[in-house]
Amino acid sequence: DQQVKQNSPSLSVQEGRISILNCDYTNSMFDYFLWYKKYPAEGPTFLISISSIKDKNEDGRFTVFLNKSAKHLSLHIVPSQPGDSAVYFCAASAIDTGANSKLTFGKGITLSVRP
Amino acid sequence: KAGVTQTPRYLIKTRGQQVTLSCSPISGHRSVSWYQQTPGQGLQFLFEYFSETQRNKGNFPGRFSGRQFSNSRSEMNVSTLELGDSALYLCASSLFRQGAREQYFGPGTRLTVT
Repeated sequence: DQQVKQNSPSLSVQEGRISILNCDYTNSMFDYFLWYKKYPAEGPTFLISISSIKDKNEDGRFTVFLNKSAKHLSLHIVPSQPGDSAVYFCAASAIDTGANSKLTFGKGITLSVRP
Repeated sequence: KAGVTQTPRYLIKTRGQQVTLSCSPISGHRSVSWYQQTPGQGLQFLFEYFSETQRNKGNFPGRFSGRQFSNSRSEMNVSTLELGDSALYLCASSLFRQGAREQYFGPGTRLTVT
């Protein structure tokens, strides 16, 4: 059961334009969402996160939007740069009654930014 | 501050063997989680350790085990290796078990089972 879904496996955009990466989730207990970026042969790098009490969080060129009613979040990168070409993972977490916290990841989307 | 380190970076083993992977978290981080990444499957959660205790476990067979030491360093062990265990194994550390949710990943150990 895929609780975090990144339905598009890849995205290609022109340098300078906006990249929009989408993510859907099914578990209503998720209350914290994160985006990670991964280059080949490296571990994922934390990009930006958002708590369920917010609907937007911005950090430089990166903005994450959360639509709780639709169980949907998106990562906007503006302007896109060739160095942004990587695999992007959406992740979600929830604290259960046992006070355990783990990250549930989507399968990732490969972003290619064309010069 | 040094990041998460994992050793070895690459490993080739034969079916039926066992393997131990090591992870040193960021200094001061007490939580260590392990993930398996395979093509097309994203990152699958294996387990989390905090204060030397396993706090959470994913849906993996008992051949996968781990432990955490008093200095927060962690090891994971896979016994009776199968071809399907070939994957990138990632370790991540975080400051707390809850509250600070961001996990910081190491470069991973690429395990190939032949």
